Amino acid sequence: EADIYQTPRYLVIGTGKKITLECSQTMGHDKMYWYQQDPGMELHLIHYSYGVNSTEKGDLSSESTVSRIRTEHFPLTLESARPSHTSQYLCASSFGANVLTFGAGSRLTVL
Amino acid sequence: QQPVQSPQAVILREGEDAVINCSSSKALYSVHWYRQKHGEAPVFLMILLKGGEQKGHDKISASFNEKKQQSSLYLTASQLSYSGTYFCGTATGAGSYQLTFGKGTKLSVIP
Repeated sequence: EADIYQTPRYLVIGTGKKITLECSQTMGHDKMYWYQQDPGMELHLIHYSYGVNSTEKGDLSSESTVSRIRTEHFPLTLESARPSHTSQYLCASSFGANVLTFGAGSRLTVL
Repeated sequence: QQPVQSPQAVILREGEDAVINCSSSKALYSVHWYRQKHGEAPVFLMILLKGGEQKGHDKISASFNEKKQQSSLYLTASQLSYSGTYFCGTATGAGSYQLTFGKGTKLSVIP
């Protein structure tokens, strides 16, 4: 049973469109993360948050932005999507010992 | 810095054993192991903290050699359900909530 929800699961859009990937968790976790993963490849941290109104960039540079206005919600936004943004985006949350619980992912294709 | 996993891929017959290694050039505080099945989100397996402990459940166990900054994941009497890509994630400090993941080891178990 998923406690962290991502929508949409799949999205195909044209270049230049603005998109928002939604992520919500019901576990009350204080920390949330966005990872980018190309098929068959490793996970790269692009954003993280330690709590409300706290956001930081991760190791992999990304043109996306995030916000954390509520503990349970951590949306990711791309103002102008490009084909290079095509990837899978995984949201995760953690508490305490930093064990990550991942969402099912949002697979983005930019034409 | 990204930990190095080996091997990159391994094929096993049911019942055979495998070892997956994860090495870092940095001093580590913790090592996490996750398994990702095709098309699914990564799932947490276990965490090992600085101190050289060994953990396990069922037929999957892991060790952490603090002197070598290396962790090994042991899969014994493999089952078809063990197939997937195994990622190690490392943290360099107790206050570091960001994991750096290795490139993954693809494990295929065949009948």
